[in-house]
Amino acid sequence: KAGVTQTPRYLIKTRGQQVTLSCSPISGHRSVSWYQQTPGQGLQFLFEYFSETQRNKGNFPGRFSGRQFSNSRSEMNVSTLELGDSALYLCASSFRVQETQYFGPGTRLLVL
Amino acid sequence: QQQVKQSPQSLIVQKGGISIINCAYENTAFDYFPWYQQFPGKGPALLIAIRPDVSEKKEGRFTISFNKSAKQFSLHIMDSQPGDSATYFCAASKRGRGSTLGRLYFGRGTQLTVWP
Repeated sequence: KAGVTQTPRYLIKTRGQQVTLSCSPISGHRSVSWYQQTPGQGLQFLFEYFSETQRNKGNFPGRFSGRQFSNSRSEMNVSTLELGDSALYLCASSFRVQETQYFGPGTRLLVL
Repeated sequence: QQQVKQSPQSLIVQKGGISIINCAYENTAFDYFPWYQQFPGKGPALLIAIRPDVSEKKEGRFTISFNKSAKQFSLHIMDSQPGDSATYFCAASKRGRGSTLGRLYFGRGTQLTVWP
C-alpha cells in the first residue's frame, strides 16, 4: 500500500506570496492532519480533517487554511507568507480520527 | 504551554548500549502515547505506542515504560545500533470515549547518535 504522499517536496517563495501544499493520504484513510515542524517550535498541530470537515484547529493565524476533498486528499494554504513560515509541513493520515497517524515525507517551504 | 516535555535534547550512546529518552505530560485526559522516529529528510514514523492501562510494552529492542501516577513515560532502546541514530519524538493524545479528535501533542525531540 502506498504511503502518504505530499507535493511539492520543496518550495521556495518570497514574503507576501501565498502557497498551496497538497497531501494524498494512504488509500482508505479518511482522516488527514497537518503539522508544522521547525527547529525552534518542534512539531505543532495545524488542522485535522475528516470527511471533508475540519474537526480541530491549532493555534495558528487565519493565514493558514486548509480543506479536504471527497477523495480524502487535502490541501493547505498559507497566504501572505512571512519569513517565520519557513518550515517542514507534514501531513498525516489515519483510517479514522482516533487511530494511528502515518506521516508523509513533508513539504519543505523556504520563505525568502 | 508545552503539554509534553521531553528530555534529553540530545543523547550519545555507544553501540550496544541502552538509550533512554524520557517524557512527561500534564493532561491526565491523555490516553495514547506513541513514539515516533524521524530520519533526516523523512517524515516521522511510528515506532511503538502504549495506552495507560499497561505499565510496559516491548517490541523487539524498543520498550516503553509508563508511570501513570507520575505522568511520565520513557523509551528504552536496547543494544543500540548506529542505524538507530535519528530524532525521536514522544507524543500524546486523547482518544477516549467522548473524544472525536486525533490531535497529537509532541515533545521537542531527542537527537540520538549511536557511535560504532
